[in-house]
Amino acid sequence: EVQLVESGGGLVQPGGSLRLSCAASGFTFSSYSMNWVRQAPGKGLEWVSYISSSSSTIYYADSVKGRFTISRDNAKNSLYLQMNSLRDEDTAVYYCAREESGSSSFDYWGQGTLVTVSS
Amino acid sequence: SYELTQPLSVSVALGQTARITCGGNNIGSKNVHWYQQKPGQAPVLVIYRDSNRPSGIPERFSGSNSGNTATLTISRAQAGDEADYYCQVWDSSPGWVFGGGTKLTVL
Repeated sequence: EVQLVESGGGLVQPGGSLRLSCAASGFTFSSYSMNWVRQAPGKGLEWVSYISSSSSTIYYADSVKGRFTISRDNAKNSLYLQMNSLRDEDTAVYYCAREESGSSSFDYWGQGTLVTVSS
Repeated sequence: SYELTQPLSVSVALGQTARITCGGNNIGSKNVHWYQQKPGQAPVLVIYRDSNRPSGIPERFSGSNSGNTATLTISRAQAGDEADYYCQVWDSSPGWVFGGGTKLTVL
């Protein structure tokens, strides 16, 4: 069974940093591209970042470019999101999502981890 | 950057057909994916590449895409179909783009 489990969320002050993790199991993690998607309270989905299976290709949404860094450790079946210079507007539930190889759709999602940026 | 436009809400009578649209410039040339999200839950893929259903998704869910509009159609709507629905495409920016979401109410 495919499982994605996020962790690392919490309360952080504006300007602070946080590192999110996503532990993958039930599939060959190293064969799949992965994404982070966030959802602010009461709002819609916003794509945050993409990383290819080998980490050779990385993309960011303009809203986080220069502040967030996506990475992965295929040996540990883990995906990460390093978030620096956090702002109030980064408050959201952060989901990791697997990108299906053929269709490029997000076929599996984690349950999400809440990040709250507030003083 | 590319934008996707969805109606904020759609209502459908129980057992009838709901249609949720997703508008974008020449969206017919792109692959569109659709997600269902119920309150407090993670999104679930219901349609990929315009009109394909993942395993486990009822045949009542179907999709189409042409011109400037993609459409998610839910036939014989059930109370359990009440949820937010999001369309998604890949943009050349590059990056993924989601529509603003549509809240489906089954009356």
